[in-house]
Amino acid sequence: EAQVTQNPRYLITVTGKKLTVTCSQNMNHEYMSWYRQDPGLGLRQIYYSMNVEVTDKGDVPEGYKVSRKEKRNFPLILESPSPNQTSLYFCASSLFPSGLGSYNEQFFGPGTRLTVL
Amino acid sequence: DQQVKQNSPSLSVQEGRISILNCDYTNSMFDYFLWYKKYPAEGPTFLISISSIKDKNEDGRFTVFLNKSAKHLSLHIVPSQPGDSAVYFCAASGSSNTGKLIFGQGTTLQVKP
Repeated sequence: EAQVTQNPRYLITVTGKKLTVTCSQNMNHEYMSWYRQDPGLGLRQIYYSMNVEVTDKGDVPEGYKVSRKEKRNFPLILESPSPNQTSLYFCASSLFPSGLGSYNEQFFGPGTRLTVL
Repeated sequence: DQQVKQNSPSLSVQEGRISILNCDYTNSMFDYFLWYKKYPAEGPTFLISISSIKDKNEDGRFTVFLNKSAKHLSLHIVPSQPGDSAVYFCAASGSSNTGKLIFGQGTTLQVKP
């Protein structure tokens, strides 16, 4: 089954304790992205990756890191989590990045609900 | 600055009636508009899209209308079914080559039996 998987689905942690949220897709997609969803703000892009070893900042990258060593995996790293990073996180992938004059459907993972105390 | 806005946080309709969800945007560079549907504890799933060169796109019970001059789009669901109860996000694409989708805040639709 074609899908995007995220782990863990739920996480409660404390301020400053490094954590990693994994994301994996089995569709051989080149483009992957992380979003966070907050009440009243919709989904906002954190980081994205056009392909292996190619990553760049989205709209809200502060406090996050990513890596793309393999095509299928795109982990999100919080080196020193803070309470303002409490949110619902979604990983997404598409065959190619949407851009000027083209759109490629993005497939989303089930989400990771993170609480930082 | 919210470039895509859904001003109605919630909408309640009776089964069988029409549901109309609205979305406004500010960036005239957007060239694709999309609607995503989200159930609790799941990720958003793509529902329907429209290119900026069109003013209507239809897929079964779902129709999206685009009014470029007003920078407004709407999603019509006819007839509405209880299984349509979900959060609906409007999104826009194409203002850059980053692949980014710009999302609205979402509208929670409840379809009552």
